[in-house]
This record gives sequence, C-alpha cells and structure tokens, in this order.
Amino acid sequence: DAKTTQPNSMESNEEEPVHLPCNHSTISGTDYIHWYRQLPSQGPEYVIHGLTSNVNNRMASLAIAEDRKSSTLILHRATLRDAAVYYCILRDADNNDMRFGAGTRLTVKP
Amino acid sequence: DAGITQSPRHKVTETGTPVTLRCHQTENHRYMYWYRQDPGHGLRLIHYSYGVKDTDKGEVSDGYSVSRSKTEDFLLTLESATSSQTSVYFCAISESPGTLEAFFGQGTRLTVV
Repeated sequence: DAKTTQPNSMESNEEEPVHLPCNHSTISGTDYIHWYRQLPSQGPEYVIHGLTSNVNNRMASLAIAEDRKSSTLILHRATLRDAAVYYCILRDADNNDMRFGAGTRLTVKP
Repeated sequence: DAGITQSPRHKVTETGTPVTLRCHQTENHRYMYWYRQDPGHGLRLIHYSYGVKDTDKGEVSDGYSVSRSKTEDFLLTLESATSSQTSVYFCAISESPGTLEAFFGQGTRLTVV
C-alpha cells in the first residue's frame, strides 16, 4: 500500500501562511491525495483532495508536485482555530480501504 | 453536515462483556469504516464495508467483528471486551473510495474496566 510521510509537528504564527508537507514517493497513478484535519475532541473533517492539478477551496490550497511524489497543504492565513492534527492520505479508486498515518500536529501561536 | 450518527457516544463496560457500537448514516453512501484512536497512534482502521453484507478487515481487526445488513447501518461488535479495547471509536462514510471525500462521526468513547 502506498504510504505517506509527514512531520510530527509544526508551529505557525497567527495570520501567517502555513505550508504542511507530505511525501508519498510510492504513489500510484490512480491514487488521490486527500487531506483531513482533526480538531481537539472532534472527529476528523475533510479539507481538500486532488489527483494531479493544484486545487483550491474555501479552507485551503493543495499544491501537488509534478511527479506527484509530494504535496503541500497551504493554509493561507492561519487562525487559532486551525490548530489541529492534519492527515495526508492516499485513496485509490480501486482500493476500498482508507488508512491514516500519525499526521502533523499544527500549533498556531497568537 | 453529513448525516452520520454514532451511538452510544460514551460507554463504560466490564471486561468480558459484549459491546456493540452503531454507526448510522442518512447519506446512502456505499462505503463505511470503523477506526479506533488511542493516544500516540492516530486513527487505525478496524474494519470497513463496501456494500451491504460486504466487509473486510483493516489493520487492527483482532477482537472485533462487524455487520452491515442494510446500507445505513454499520455495527461494530466487541465479542468479549478487554481493557486494551478502551479507546475512542470513529465511524466514517464515503460515496467513493478515491474521488470523493469521506465524512466522520463524532466518535464513541469506550472504557472497559
């Protein structure tokens, strides 16, 4: 199974951009890159996903490397509410399961 | 918010007793998943379902069984609860395994004493 590697933790200052990296060197051509986050004492929530092209939505942007072996979740202006564990996972349209790694714990400082 | 409900939200049970957790969805999504989350371990997949009566094991399935007799309900059963199964359990649903997002329930905190 293709897996992802993320830093254990990152810190950011409030109102500054945050770039959360994810490596997935064994990604297959049919793997979608998904990002979820988990706020304290809550279930995970969807953030963004993409296949090859960069993606933007109201929460964040996803930048995917040309070779697709890495991606970066971009929070354009971090707020205290963005403090969470961020998970980068690969989801294959041909594979039914959905597995998570340890994620990156983002701390946002005022 | 996606229509996904976990019950109960909290439960305390004794070692050796059977426990069933329920995940109920109103979205008619095909895929359903059960995870456990322990401090320092992130989310670990227990079992998942890709349709009615179609289920498969995840990475930590020992001691757990599941059933899905209808689209909207996915049940997780601990046949004989042990203290090592004390955890927070999350259910997730998804219409597609790759192209669409997954939605998660709020979790069930299970304590086995």
